[in-house]
Amino acid sequence: EIVLTQSPGTLSLSPGERATLSCRASQSVSSSNLAWYQQKPGQAPRLLIYGASSRATGIPDRFSGSGSGTDFTLTISRLEPEDFAVYYCQQYGNSRTFGQGTKVEIK
Amino acid sequence: QVQLVQSGAEVKKPGSSVKVSCKASGDTFSRYTITWVRQAPGQGLQWMGMIIPMFDTVNYAQNFQGRVTITADKSTNTAYMELSSLRSEDTAVYYCAAASDYWGRGTLVTVSS
Repeated sequence: EIVLTQSPGTLSLSPGERATLSCRASQSVSSSNLAWYQQKPGQAPRLLIYGASSRATGIPDRFSGSGSGTDFTLTISRLEPEDFAVYYCQQYGNSRTFGQGTKVEIK
Repeated sequence: QVQLVQSGAEVKKPGSSVKVSCKASGDTFSRYTITWVRQAPGQGLQWMGMIIPMFDTVNYAQNFQGRVTITADKSTNTAYMELSSLRSEDTAVYYCAAASDYWGRGTLVTVSS
């Protein structure tokens, strides 16, 4: 099973700042089958990025994904108030697994 | 687009089973991969398994092998997730999702004696 490790656990930032979230896999993720989700309290997860770097339908372009192999990054270029949430990476190249999440909180 | 409506909250005894349903509307059910994910209180997301109704293909997470059964009824556009031998650690919100884009609102399953 591929284990995904996200860092940092919590990111404290102010609106307008840039957020950089990391997701590292225990083994190479085939064909960049890596997705990012956003989850707010009491809500279901929302797909942001698939294929490591493709934005899902309706996702603003301040969200971008990059990486390949074992190292992946989600970047939020300028944080909006609605972006403060928990973010999960998920690999779907070998079965499916989620990372443990990164909480982006208001500083 | 597809809308997913899940069954209501459940309270179960340890050792029993629970079956959660996920009814799809708005698009052709069988063309989507239906995934089940759970989230224990205050915890992260845990992938449980998935089914491709068009081919009746299922894939389960190792952690749930032997305890979870995922099925789909194409005639009613409904997917099911049954979890057996319940223990307190199975207390969680259980979500279904179609093609990762469309999610149900979740079903709270509480396991308590």
